[in-house]
Amino acid sequence: KQEVTQIPAALSVPEGENLVLNCSFTDSAIYNLQWFRQDPGKGLTSLLLIQSSQREQTSGRLNASLDKSSGRSTLYIAASQPGDSATYLCAVTWISSGSARQLTFGSGTQLTVLP
Amino acid sequence: SAVISQKPSRDICQRGTSLTIQCQVDSQVTMMFWYRQQPGQSLTLIATANQGSEATYESGFVIDKFPISRPNLTFSTLTVSNMSPEDSSIYLCSVVTAENIQYFGAGTRLSVL
Repeated sequence: KQEVTQIPAALSVPEGENLVLNCSFTDSAIYNLQWFRQDPGKGLTSLLLIQSSQREQTSGRLNASLDKSSGRSTLYIAASQPGDSATYLCAVTWISSGSARQLTFGSGTQLTVLP
Repeated sequence: SAVISQKPSRDICQRGTSLTIQCQVDSQVTMMFWYRQQPGQSLTLIATANQGSEATYESGFVIDKFPISRPNLTFSTLTVSNMSPEDSSIYLCSVVTAENIQYFGAGTRLSVL
């Protein structure tokens, strides 16, 4: 069974700081890993998708890395802004025992960027 | 990409009633999923909605409580039946595209009194 853990659970930083969010997973046999953003009371927005064969993906101020062998991913946010305040969720796609693809989410990191 | 329209966006319901949530996608997709997010929690998969056959439910979720329809490749509904306050959650529809990217609807925020 796949378990996904995110550390820290909450993070508060002043505007302009660079920050790193961590995600770890227990089973390295994954298809891909996605980072999502969720604003309070809203749905999820996909930020970055890293295929299992890739090491990193970049989009604007966001950079996500993947180390499949160690079961870890990081999301790096450069020059943080108050608008980045949200919950960031990591999710891995993997094959369950029934040969079906499953998506397992971490519990998220709640980020607050202070002006 | 995929654009998902989910309705209603929120509702307040009485105990014992049922609510049907609709999910419409702007393109044909093979895999559609329904998730629940309880207050302060991460997402939990309820079921996979299969076109032309019964939905596949995860452990802890049953068809009588959460009946699902998938009449075609762009539409699905989830019904929350005989609701209790414990069903108060955000319910999210999701699809996976051919590029293996997962997209989510904006969610339905359900409060049961």
